[in-house]
Amino acid sequence: KAGVTQTPRYLIKTRGQQVTLSCSPISGHRSVSWYQQTPGQGLQFLFEYFSETQRNKGNFPGRFSGRQFSNSRSEMNVSTLELGDSALYLCASSYFVRSSTDTQYFGPGTRLTVL
Amino acid sequence: EDKVVQSPLSLVVHEGDTVTLNCSYEVTNFRSLLWYKQEKKAPTFLFMLTSSGIEKKSGRLSSILDKKELFSILNITATQTGDSAIYLCAVEANFGNEKLTFGTGTRLTIIP
Repeated sequence: KAGVTQTPRYLIKTRGQQVTLSCSPISGHRSVSWYQQTPGQGLQFLFEYFSETQRNKGNFPGRFSGRQFSNSRSEMNVSTLELGDSALYLCASSYFVRSSTDTQYFGPGTRLTVL
Repeated sequence: EDKVVQSPLSLVVHEGDTVTLNCSYEVTNFRSLLWYKQEKKAPTFLFMLTSSGIEKKSGRLSSILDKKELFSILNITATQTGDSAIYLCAVEANFGNEKLTFGTGTRLTIIP
C-alpha cells in the first residue's frame, strides 16, 4: 500500500506570493491533517479535514487555508507569504478522524523557504 | 493557552542504557496525550494515552500518563542506535475543537 505523498517536496517563494501544497493520503483514508514544523516553534497543528469538511483548526491566521476533495486528497494554501512561514509542512492521514484513532501516518513533508 | 513542555531537550546515552523522557502539560479539557518518534522528516506514531495509570507498551518502549500531576513519561530500555531520534509529545484538547499542541521534543542520541 502506498504511503502518504506530498508534493512538491521543496519550494522556494518570495514574500507576498502565495503557495499551494498537496497531500495524497493512503488509499481509503478519509482524514487529512496538516502540521507546520519550525525550529523555533516545533510542530504545530494547522487543521484537519475529514470527508471534505474541516473538522478542527489550530491557531493560525486566515492566510492559511485548506480544502479536501472527494477523493480525500487535500491542498493547503498560504497567501501573502511571510518570512516566518518558512517551515516543513507535514500532512498525515488516517482512516477515521484523528481524535478517534491512534494511528496516523505522516507524509515526507514539503520544505517551504520564503525569501 | 495550552502548553506542553518536554525534558530534557537533549540526551546522549550509550547503547544498552535505559532512558526516561518527560512530558508535562497544561491544557483545557484534556482528551489524550500522544508520543511520536521523528527520525528524519515524517514523525511516526508511538502511543496514545487517555487514562491515568495504565501503561502502554510496545517492545522496549513504554509510556504512562498521570492525569492528576499532568505529565507523562516515555521509557526506552536497552537502547539501540536506531532509537536515536527526536521524541515528540502532543496533547489533544476537547471534543469541540480537537487541536493538538506539541512540545518542542527531546533529541535522543544513542552512542554505540
